[in-house]
Amino acid sequence: DTGVSQDPRHKITKRGQNVTFRCDPISEHNRLYWYRQTLGQGPEFLTYFQNEAQLEKSRLLSDRFSAERPKGSFSTLEIQRTEQGDSAMYLCASSTISGEQFFGPGTRLTVL
Amino acid sequence: RKEVEQDPGPFNVPEGATVAFNCTYSNSASQSFFWYRQDCRKEPKLLMSVYSSGNEDGRFTAQLNRASQYISLLIRDSKLSDSATYLCVVNPTTSGTYKYIFGTGTRLKVLA
Repeated sequence: DTGVSQDPRHKITKRGQNVTFRCDPISEHNRLYWYRQTLGQGPEFLTYFQNEAQLEKSRLLSDRFSAERPKGSFSTLEIQRTEQGDSAMYLCASSTISGEQFFGPGTRLTVL
Repeated sequence: RKEVEQDPGPFNVPEGATVAFNCTYSNSASQSFFWYRQDCRKEPKLLMSVYSSGNEDGRFTAQLNRASQYISLLIRDSKLSDSATYLCVVNPTTSGTYKYIFGTGTRLKVLA
């Protein structure tokens, strides 16, 4: 399968715990995006990488959120001290310069 | 005014009908436009890019109206399998941001 993959697909955690999600983009795509989606809303942009450089972060991304893309390949999104409001679907997408983004299946986070 | 606005629907149409959705955007400098389809609890999937000259892919036609700042999606001969949420996506500025703004989506139900 040469699509975007994300791991884990589901994560249940208790408030205050740290969680980390992984995204493996399509191999020839140098652009990688993270989004958050809640019920009834479209995906909200969180951050963007071009190769290993994080070029843009949304104001939605508080200090508790951090993302990395070492070596310009896979990416991780970490949420520290999770809150119930962090419960959402976290989507990763990758693209070439065309901007046509291909999404992974997402990680559904539930914070109890 | 929201950066990208869509009528949430739902649009309930019989099989074989033609249905059209519009999506308005606020930033006149926007350059890139896309339509995505999202099935319930699944990731968004690229349906088509929207070019200045308009484009067609089988039963689907997308158009851009820069003067009135909207994009449209026309679906002809609707199938039951077209039932989904349709998301429009806009890259709002020509430079300085890689952020893509998603609308909240328009729900389509095709009825037998």
